[in-house]
Amino acid sequence: NAGVTQTPKFQVLKTGQSMTLQCAQDMNHEYMSWYRQDPGMGLRLIHYSVGAGITDQGEVPNGYNVSRSTTEDFPLRLLSAAPSQTSVYFCASRVAGTGRYEQYFGPGTRLTVT
Amino acid sequence: DAKTTQPPSMDCAEGRAANLPCNHSTISGNEYVYWYRQIHSQGPQYIIHGLKNNETNEMASLIITEDRKSSTLILPHATLRDTAVYYCIVRVEGGGNKLTFGTGTQLKVEL
Repeated sequence: NAGVTQTPKFQVLKTGQSMTLQCAQDMNHEYMSWYRQDPGMGLRLIHYSVGAGITDQGEVPNGYNVSRSTTEDFPLRLLSAAPSQTSVYFCASRVAGTGRYEQYFGPGTRLTVT
Repeated sequence: DAKTTQPPSMDCAEGRAANLPCNHSTISGNEYVYWYRQIHSQGPQYIIHGLKNNETNEMASLIITEDRKSSTLILPHATLRDTAVYYCIVRVEGGGNKLTFGTGTQLKVEL
């Protein structure tokens, strides 16, 4: 199993550009999430999904869109990049079910918006 | 979800036990205690979790006080590779995926 994979590893955008961060998992996990991590801070939840076709907002959803058309993939779209979106983005997945909150994280995408 | 408090940093000598405390005085009866760690520039890694009883796995032990208001993560023989930020998270069972990470404890393991 590859686990959770993210592409690209690094990205530089200009203000106003749009792009999609890719996330895929091969563990057949129902739940997937996107977090961002700013320097010296903990992770903040952007969006999450509890299954194909179902998504919901986290703490900091503004400026981001998600969709979940398959169990495996959960892309994150930046609609119009802003310098405030410079961050490291982590995708995570886990199985559904009570008491099972072990999340598996991808290696991250380091995004710089100039 | 209950709020957690952790010291911002700790040091530990290699080969010694690292004991990382976490205070969660407002924890409710159905909330689990989870520990994750994040080695520099990598994604967070699950370590262990528990509800009431002490737990042990191949990575660590988790000691939860009887009143459940605090817990301690123990790395029995810390190595340089255990240098990381350790996050204590309290999470209710069931419902959603909002795992809230605070700022954690930076553990530095030194020779």
